[in-house]
Amino acid sequence: GNSVTQMEGPVTLSEEAFLTINCTYTATGYPSLFWYVQYPGEGLQLLLKATKADDKGSNKGFEATYRKETTSFHLEKGSVQVSDSAVYFCALSDPGYSTLTFGKGTMLLVSP
Amino acid sequence: DGGITQSPKYLFRKEGQNVTLSCEQNLNHDAMYWYRQDPGQGLRLIYYSQIVNDFQKGDIAEGYSVSREKKESFPLTVTSAQKNPTAFYLCASSSRGLAHQGEQFFGPGTRLTVL
Repeated sequence: GNSVTQMEGPVTLSEEAFLTINCTYTATGYPSLFWYVQYPGEGLQLLLKATKADDKGSNKGFEATYRKETTSFHLEKGSVQVSDSAVYFCALSDPGYSTLTFGKGTMLLVSP
Repeated sequence: DGGITQSPKYLFRKEGQNVTLSCEQNLNHDAMYWYRQDPGQGLRLIYYSQIVNDFQKGDIAEGYSVSREKKESFPLTVTSAQKNPTAFYLCASSSRGLAHQGEQFFGPGTRLTVL
């Protein structure tokens, strides 16, 4: 079955540092890939997505590239802010787009 | 504004009582989902429904029940058979159109505490 593996957190960074959160997946077919962000006590918000190999999703300074050869979708940001502190989830769709499989989430803590 | 509402935000119940969590969407989405979130566990799928009057079990359906009588509404009942119901519950919806490729939209969640 499908599965998503994310690096364990928390990831602790100083403001303006470079961020990478690793995500690798196992899936049949050609899933769509997503990064969601969750702020404390809230639901999930879509951060970015990519629907086919070599696509790059980007939003609010975050980027991730769909790498089929390495089955990866790592999240990056060049300069993090305190307001980026949250939990980040990597997810993939099943071939029929009816369900998502989520990773366990990675907490990011950014200090001033 | 279009979106998903969940009520209430916080819910307290005594052990042995059934409780129903509300989820409503005005996005005109066909599919709706219920997830459970526990610390360090990520999101686990409880039930989902792709069309009115039809629903499927997810990975952890035991102790839960749902109904889908209207397109806009997908209530979740946590029954007394659920052994550890205290958790954060998230509702989501999605369009079945290919343009969205499986993207789901989430509500703000309900935190259920069983005393």
